[in-house]
Amino acid sequence: SQQGEEDPQALSIQEGENATMNCSYKTSINNLQWYRQNSGRGLVHLILIRSNEREKHSGRLRVTLDTSKKSSSLLITASRAADTASYFCATDDPGNTGKLIFGQGTTLQVKP
Amino acid sequence: GAVVSQHPSWVICKSGTSVKIECRSLDFQATTMFWYRQFPKQSLMLMATSNEGSKATYEQGVEKDKFLINHASLTLSTLTVTSAHPEDSSFYICSARDGKLRTLTYNEQFFGPGTRLTVL
Repeated sequence: SQQGEEDPQALSIQEGENATMNCSYKTSINNLQWYRQNSGRGLVHLILIRSNEREKHSGRLRVTLDTSKKSSSLLITASRAADTASYFCATDDPGNTGKLIFGQGTTLQVKP
Repeated sequence: GAVVSQHPSWVICKSGTSVKIECRSLDFQATTMFWYRQFPKQSLMLMATSNEGSKATYEQGVEKDKFLINHASLTLSTLTVTSAHPEDSSFYICSARDGKLRTLTYNEQFFGPGTRLTVL
């Protein structure tokens, strides 16, 4: 089942602008991950943030986690046309089965 | 390292035939593999968890007799779509966990590139 909800569902920006995507989840988690998917391709792991972390950076990516609100955000700074893709958050199954529960995803279009 | 491959990358078949999709971990041993399906413009939906040497665990609503999963070795899991119908057309993605990772709180999975199935 999908427990994550992401907003916006679609986002269109100009190259150079920042893009922010949000993800909400329902149960307790050990960690939350963000993935990218280019059209018709597999998933690329972007970043993982543990439940005891509040913010994490990786290059132009910044992820925040608010466990009290059960939400996370992914910020892509200085976007490029190559960032055009779908972005998904995924939380681990609280039953420690190893399953990942994916959000609905945000489709990002970066216009050159 | 940590590469997962899928074969074939795309397949077109006639209604009523069976299709087998392979998922391989190329440079690590995967004690657990996961199978997802993804419809156009939608998210990934977990179908089943495949554990090496044991029966797969299917998610609610997924027909185990239709989607046969075999995880006979630490590097290979297969998904067979039996008697495929047009509604089975989808993008099937597998992922694998490295069996040597012992961290309980870090669920790292490596994803394959996906298989596009079209049933005519």
